[in-house]
Amino acid sequence: AQSVSQHNHHVILSEAASLELGCNYSYGGTVNLFWYVQYPGQHLQLLLKYFSGDPLVKGIKGFEAEFIKSKFSFNLRKPSVQWSDTAEYFCAVSPGGGNKLTFGTGTQLKVEL
Amino acid sequence: GAVVSQHPSWVICKSGTSVKIECRSLDFQATTMFWYRQFPKQSLMLMATSNEGSKATYEQGVEKDKFLINHASLTLSTLTVTSAHPEDSSFYICSAPYGNEKLFFGSGTQLSVL
Repeated sequence: AQSVSQHNHHVILSEAASLELGCNYSYGGTVNLFWYVQYPGQHLQLLLKYFSGDPLVKGIKGFEAEFIKSKFSFNLRKPSVQWSDTAEYFCAVSPGGGNKLTFGTGTQLKVEL
Repeated sequence: GAVVSQHPSWVICKSGTSVKIECRSLDFQATTMFWYRQFPKQSLMLMATSNEGSKATYEQGVEKDKFLINHASLTLSTLTVTSAHPEDSSFYICSAPYGNEKLFFGSGTQLSVL
């Protein structure tokens, strides 16, 4: 069965710092990859996704992620975080185009002023 | 835009009682909905897939008699935790696909069983 690992459970950054959240998955076949964000008191929202093509994908709010197939990784990045980026971030994988997702445990990001 | 409404947001119940959680797709029809559960400090885990007009499909290890799923219409799926026990205390969340590439999530339900 596939699994998703997010290495950082809690991250605290100052505003304007750069962000990188790690995500690795274990699945040998074709996968679709996602990053979701949950702001305090709100629904899970899609940040960005990778299905195929350019392995560097850009999402909303200045986030991007790079799919590195050889490393089974899909790390999330943002060059300069803002206080409003405080949220929980989830990496997710679905094998071969389905809607069933396997999630990582999530990373709680706190951005301090 | 498309939204999935989930109620209640939180519920506290006594051990042995049943709890129903509703998920509605607003402004779109959802023939399929997914139900997830998240224990503290763990991943969201898929429990089951509800299908409008047919039986739900349960993931391995999920008791179908305990977690009753009903997808009675194209906009409503319900999850009933029957005879709840403290170990069922968890965060339950639903999601519904919209088109081929989007998935909308409910806001989740925090269940606490005393």
